[in-house]
Amino acid sequence: AQTVTQSQPEMSVQEAETVTLSCTYDTSESDYYLFWYKQPPSRQMILVIRQEAYKQQNATENRFSVNFQKAAKSFSLKISDSQLGDAAMYFCAYRSVTDKLIFGTGTRLQVFP
Amino acid sequence: EAGVAQSPRYKIIEKRQSVAFWCNPISGHATLYWYQQILGQGPKLLIQFQNNGVVDDSQLPKDRFSAERLKGVDSTLKIQPAKLEDSAVYLCASSLAMGGPDIQYFGAGTRLSVL
Repeated sequence: AQTVTQSQPEMSVQEAETVTLSCTYDTSESDYYLFWYKQPPSRQMILVIRQEAYKQQNATENRFSVNFQKAAKSFSLKISDSQLGDAAMYFCAYRSVTDKLIFGTGTRLQVFP
Repeated sequence: EAGVAQSPRYKIIEKRQSVAFWCNPISGHATLYWYQQILGQGPKLLIQFQNNGVVDDSQLPKDRFSAERLKGVDSTLKIQPAKLEDSAVYLCASSLAMGGPDIQYFGAGTRLSVL
């Protein structure tokens, strides 16, 4: 069965600095999708970024980028120029082509002014 | 564009009571999901609908949980009778289609406390 592991329960960063959140996953599939979701205190999960496993190029969305290492089954999220509004729980998630979305346990990100 | 609507936001009940949650997905979204998020964990899929048919309910505790999606739009998730371990946030999500890259859009969830 596929699993997603986030080994950092909490991380902190100063405003305007860069932080990297780690995620590893386990799968025997060759084709799949990876996601980072943000969950602020309002509880609504918001998609931050998505990566298709068949694409070698790392996905980027403004200040958010990923480092996708398929062989190592690693999918980290880099947040540049951190802002106070980035403070939230961040969940890494995996989905095969035909199966359900599987989430990690999350990393709580604190941003200090 | 309106997002996924859920109600109520909070619910407190005693064990063995019944409770129901309501979800209205984004207009035109064929796929609807119910997730359970226990404190300190990531969301876990309970049930997935494609229009008004069930696609996956393998993780739904069917002895106490039930869900329906009438006319392929709104959905209701019910727990009867509730147990202490059902305390969690129940999230509803919807997507246009079904499958790997499809983006799921989430509602704000219902926080259930079972006393």
